[in-house]
Amino acid sequence: DQQVKQNSPSLSVQEGRISILNCDYTNSMFDYFLWYKKYPAEGPTFLISISSIKDKNEDGRFTVFLNKSAKHLSLHIVPSQPGDSAVYFCAASAISSGSARQLTFGSGTQLTVLP
Amino acid sequence: KAGVTQTPRYLIKTRGQQVTLSCSPISGHRSVSWYQQTPGQGLQFLFEYFSETQRNKGNFPGRFSGRQFSNSRSEMNVSTLELGDSALYLCASSRGRGRGDEQFFGPGTRLTVL
Repeated sequence: DQQVKQNSPSLSVQEGRISILNCDYTNSMFDYFLWYKKYPAEGPTFLISISSIKDKNEDGRFTVFLNKSAKHLSLHIVPSQPGDSAVYFCAASAISSGSARQLTFGSGTQLTVLP
Repeated sequence: KAGVTQTPRYLIKTRGQQVTLSCSPISGHRSVSWYQQTPGQGLQFLFEYFSETQRNKGNFPGRFSGRQFSNSRSEMNVSTLELGDSALYLCASSRGRGRGDEQFFGPGTRLTVL
């Protein structure tokens, strides 16, 4: 049972336009959400995060929106650049036993930004 | 400062064998988490170690085990390898202080089981 779902395995966008990557979750205990970017042959790198007490967080060209009632979050990249082409993973976190945090990842979306 | 390092980067084993993967976290980080990445499955959480103790565990069989040393370096062991264990194994380190504590990932170890 996938608790974090990225239903679009791939997305192609023209350079300069907006990229919108979507993520849905089912576990209402999740209270912290993150986006990671992954290039081939490298580990994922942290991009941006949002706490469940907010509905928007912005960092430069990247904005994450959280809709708690719909259990949905999205990552907007504006403007998209060819260097943004990578796999994007959505992840969610909840406090577990011993104050540990476990990240639950989606299956990823391959973003291709066309020049 | 140096990032998370994983050794080896590539490994080929046969069914039934065992394997040990190593992860050196960023200096000062006390938490190390391990993940398995397979095509279409995203990253599946294996376990987390903090100060030499397993603090959290995912839904993997007992063939998957790990440990952490006093210098925070961690090893992951898989015994009696199966074909389905072929995957990219990633480790991530963090300070381990909870919410907002960013995890930094290593490049991964690509394990192929024949």
